[in-house]
Amino acid sequence: QLQLQESGPRQVKPSETLSLTCVVFGGSISNSGHYWGWIRQAPGKGLEWIGNIFNIGSTYANPSLESRISMSVDTSENKFSLKLSSVTAADTGVYYCARGQVPYSNASPWDYWGQGTLVTVSS
Amino acid sequence: IQLTQSPFSLSASVGDRVTMSCRASQSIRTSLNWYQLKPGKAPKLLISAASSLQGGVPSRFSGSGSGTDFTLTISSLQLDDFGTYYCQQSYSDVLTFGGGTTVDIK
Repeated sequence: QLQLQESGPRQVKPSETLSLTCVVFGGSISNSGHYWGWIRQAPGKGLEWIGNIFNIGSTYANPSLESRISMSVDTSENKFSLKLSSVTAADTGVYYCARGQVPYSNASPWDYWGQGTLVTVSS
Repeated sequence: IQLTQSPFSLSASVGDRVTMSCRASQSIRTSLNWYQLKPGKAPKLLISAASSLQGGVPSRFSGSGSGTDFTLTISSLQLDDFGTYYCQQSYSDVLTFGGGTTVDIK
């Protein structure tokens, strides 16, 4: 059974960079052929797609966040990462990592999700 | 592509038939997925491709629609079905969600 687990600082100061990692258990990122994604939910708001990354590093990002996003994948440690720069209070929320269900397709639902990690942007 | 969900929230009794809607701003064929979100838990994919029930999801859940109009139906609401339901389109490479419909049990 595939499991994903997010980790990273729970609090980030305004204007700094938010960094999160998602470790994948029970399956290999390098062999899977799936995209791996980041989705977030601000308090009291709906879900928002941040971006997806493939195992060779190709990425798709939400145009509204693209200028501030950097994503990477580390197949040796079976994990992928997100960096969101110049954060503000509006970036506070629960951040989820997830697996795209359809192999080799960015345009896919996500079938396995992490539990999510709450990140607060505050000084 | 914008997705508009309605109603914003609903309250229903155990055993009721519940329906909720998701409307897309342009045709997305059948590239529409439904998720259930509960506080403190990982989101759960219920239905993909408008009507394909995911493994392990109770058969009381069903999805229908194509083009711009989609529906999620719970045929007989159970206590465990509380939560917020989101639609998501996977037609475009810019993936988007609807605003959600919150279901609570009377």
